[in-house]
Amino acid sequence: DSGVTQTPKHLITATGQRVTLRCSPRSGDLSVYWYQQSLDQGLQFLIQYYNGEERAKGNILERFSAQQFPDLHSELNLSSLELGDSALYFCASSVGGTDGRTTEAFFGQGTRLTVV
Amino acid sequence: AQSVTQLGSHVSVSEGALVLLRCNYSSSVPPYLFWYVQYPNQGLQLLLKYTSAATLVKGINGFEAEFKKSETSFHLTKPSAHMSDAAEYFCAVSMNRDDKIIFGKGTRLHILP
Repeated sequence: DSGVTQTPKHLITATGQRVTLRCSPRSGDLSVYWYQQSLDQGLQFLIQYYNGEERAKGNILERFSAQQFPDLHSELNLSSLELGDSALYFCASSVGGTDGRTTEAFFGQGTRLTVV
Repeated sequence: AQSVTQLGSHVSVSEGALVLLRCNYSSSVPPYLFWYVQYPNQGLQLLLKYTSAATLVKGINGFEAEFKKSETSFHLTKPSAHMSDAAEYFCAVSMNRDDKIIFGKGTRLHILP
């Protein structure tokens, strides 16, 4: 058990809908990362938050958004869903380096999103 | 921008044989390097990490990796493969100014009986 909790584990929804994925980081971790894993794209970095602030942005679509709350949990919102958004979405957390260098990230079990 | 390249999307080795999974990185500054493993229907688990201390890094489950700056490589090895090592392995890098962790495309390791 990595200590990172993601809910729900599975989600099936229709095209055009909006879903919210939730992540609770390990106790004490300030950084939260979101990744999308699909067969054709591999493990793609979406976005990172550090202590409530956006730290880095990757290949995140405009239809997707995220935030990190004061209690450090994070949510990834996916809207106007398309078939191609079907994937495994991982959340990871890390302590967040004070010198700008990160430490290792601990991953949750993922949310499998199926868009039909 | 930093990146990692994993050579070989699939690698097959016999049980008891040497495991060698290759990873090359691209970076303008000394990086942090990681190897993660993903078992079916599970999240990623850290195997080992390089943080500019010893160049030979020992990880869990008998795996180790050597950082070679001259070759910009961080290959993962295990002397003797076990059936339970069958999984997907990801090499990853993170940088100084930018904390995001970038993953390679992964190498699926198959263990032959």
